[in-house]
Amino acid sequence: QEQLVESGGGVVQPGRSLRLSCAASGFNFMTYGMNWVRQAPGKGLEWVAVIWHDGSNKYYVDSVKGRFTVSRDNSEKTVYLQMNNLRADDTAIYYCARYRRTPITRYYYMDVWGKGTTVTVSS
Amino acid sequence: DIQMTQSPSSLSASVGDRVTITCRASQSISSYLNWYQQKPGKAPNLLIYAASTLQSGVPSRFSGSGSGTDFTLTISSLQPEDFATYYCQQSYSTSALTFGGGTKVEIK
Repeated sequence: QEQLVESGGGVVQPGRSLRLSCAASGFNFMTYGMNWVRQAPGKGLEWVAVIWHDGSNKYYVDSVKGRFTVSRDNSEKTVYLQMNNLRADDTAIYYCARYRRTPITRYYYMDVWGKGTTVTVSS
Repeated sequence: DIQMTQSPSSLSASVGDRVTITCRASQSISSYLNWYQQKPGKAPNLLIYAASTLQSGVPSRFSGSGSGTDFTLTISSLQPEDFATYYCQQSYSTSALTFGGGTKVEIK
């Protein structure tokens, strides 16, 4: 079945780096955009970044611009989130989610989600 | 960025109740509006996309309506498994997606 599995989370000190991975299976990965969405403890969902199916476009929420980089390897069916200069307010569960759109009307939505990986930034 | 405001932030309801959650966008987003359900400790689950299209496998008691700036998610007859937090999300601005703050549906 269609599945996403995140990994790479952990406890890291402020200012350090971490790379998250999201491995896809059960669908044609190279035809879908991919998102990263995070959720701080006890808080709501926050979109973090999106990468187009071919990597041609990447967009980020303002709070991570210049610190986070999204990338993908379609041969490995994996999307990555490189997180540099981490701050305490980056502490969250990070989810990857498949980005799907309707064929003609181009309505986009996130229809497959991983279970998430937890990032804790603390000294 | 487009701001999404949900109301109420929480509500208490009984099994069998009709429940309506509202989402308002800070500018017109046509029908580029999605709804997700999240249960504690779980990933979000897509319920409705394009404002009113039910995702495959989602029970028909869920429905969505609206366009422009005002949207609603309705649960026609609340079931025990529907107690969760619900989020709206706009995809009009594909370079800056945003979620609403969430609505927690609790048992009365």
